[in-house]
Amino acid sequence: GQNIDQPTEMTATEGAIVQINCTYQTSGFNGLFWYQQHAGEAPTFLSYNVLDGLEEKGRFSSFLSRSKGYSYLLLKELQMKDSASYLCAFTGGGNKLTFGTGTQLKVEL
Amino acid sequence: DADVTQTPRNRITKTGKRIMLECSQTKGHDRMYWYRQDPGLGLRLIYYSFDVKDINKGEISDGYSVSRQAQAKFSLSLESAIPNQTALYFCATSDEWSVPDTQYFGPGTRLTVL
Repeated sequence: GQNIDQPTEMTATEGAIVQINCTYQTSGFNGLFWYQQHAGEAPTFLSYNVLDGLEEKGRFSSFLSRSKGYSYLLLKELQMKDSASYLCAFTGGGNKLTFGTGTQLKVEL
Repeated sequence: DADVTQTPRNRITKTGKRIMLECSQTKGHDRMYWYRQDPGLGLRLIYYSFDVKDINKGEISDGYSVSRQAQAKFSLSLESAIPNQTALYFCATSDEWSVPDTQYFGPGTRLTVL
């Protein structure tokens, strides 16, 4: 079957670096997405990985290991506005996204 | 103007009532999706449509129906609302010709069924 797992909550300090992990199990895999969602708002696209390795986009980077069914999102130079839920999702066949339950990140002073 | 809009943004209704949630998009995308989000359960796919004549059930379609009236419009109906359909509902769109085929979400409709 399909399964995706990520931590429920994390706390980090402004200016620091935080890594949010995601593990998944699926028989068909086309790619892995990360979305950011502020409370009560729509999810917004952050990154996409289809091949193994690191994709860097400004303060945000995402890593994928297909053989291990593992991804992480790395946030550098944390800002208060980064406090949000981070959703990991993979696509199998037919471009249907399977989402994790999200990691609620709290950035503190 | 927002590319993906949803109406209404908030709705309170009673058990047994029929309600419709509407989604419109100006992105020119062929693919549209309806999700619901519940605390602790994440986003779950209800229905999706890859073009006007295409309707597909998602993970949790029971109790829901959809209509794809045009490329830009995708409506979700609850024929007889029940309290466990209280949730935040999101519409999303994507472009089959884009790589990746990223989904873009509307602002959401918060539905409460009493």
